[in-house]
Amino acid sequence: AQSVTQPDIHITVSEGASLELRCNYSYGATPYLFWYVQSPGQGLQLLLKYFSGDTLVQGIKGFEAEFKRSQSSFNLRKPSVHWSDAAEYFCAVGAELTGGGNKLTFGTGTQLKVEL
Amino acid sequence: NAGVTQTPKFRILKIGQSMTLQCTQDMNHNYMYWYRQDPGMGLKLIYYSVGAGITDKGEVPNGYNVSRSTTEDFPLRLELAAPSQTSVYFCASSYAGAGEQYFGPGTRLTVT
Repeated sequence: AQSVTQPDIHITVSEGASLELRCNYSYGATPYLFWYVQSPGQGLQLLLKYFSGDTLVQGIKGFEAEFKRSQSSFNLRKPSVHWSDAAEYFCAVGAELTGGGNKLTFGTGTQLKVEL
Repeated sequence: NAGVTQTPKFRILKIGQSMTLQCTQDMNHNYMYWYRQDPGMGLKLIYYSVGAGITDKGEVPNGYNVSRSTTEDFPLRLELAAPSQTSVYFCASSYAGAGEQYFGPGTRLTVT
């Protein structure tokens, strides 16, 4: 069964500093990988996804992530954090369900705080 | 497009009561999903549907039921509410089976 580990529960960075959020996954085949962001009281918004091809993927809001098969990692990065980036970030791995569909297995999330 | 909409936003239930959480999407997506999110945890899949009339269980289906009579709607039914069902419930949809899922704003349910 697939699993996702986000080792950092909370991260605090200063506005303008760079950011890296860690994500490690376990999955037997080539994974579909996602990063979602959740602002307080809101649903989840997709930041970026990896299905195949170029291992460095660009997303919305200036985020990028790099798929490293050898390390089973899909870390999220941003070169300069803005105060509005404060939110909870979820990494997820997708696996096909019997009969179709795609089950997302989520990590427990990383809460990002941005200091002004 | 409104995307995925959920009603109600908040609800308090007494133990043993029943209710239906509504989910509607206007993107003509075939695939729809129900997740629950507990504090400090990721989302867990409750039920999913690959099209009208077809549903299947996810990881944590006990205590819930679903139906899918139309492409747009995927309601989640709680028959006998229990405190363990206190959670935030998210509905999601996707066009392709392996495609990204689009989430609704969630329903915060408290069972006391």
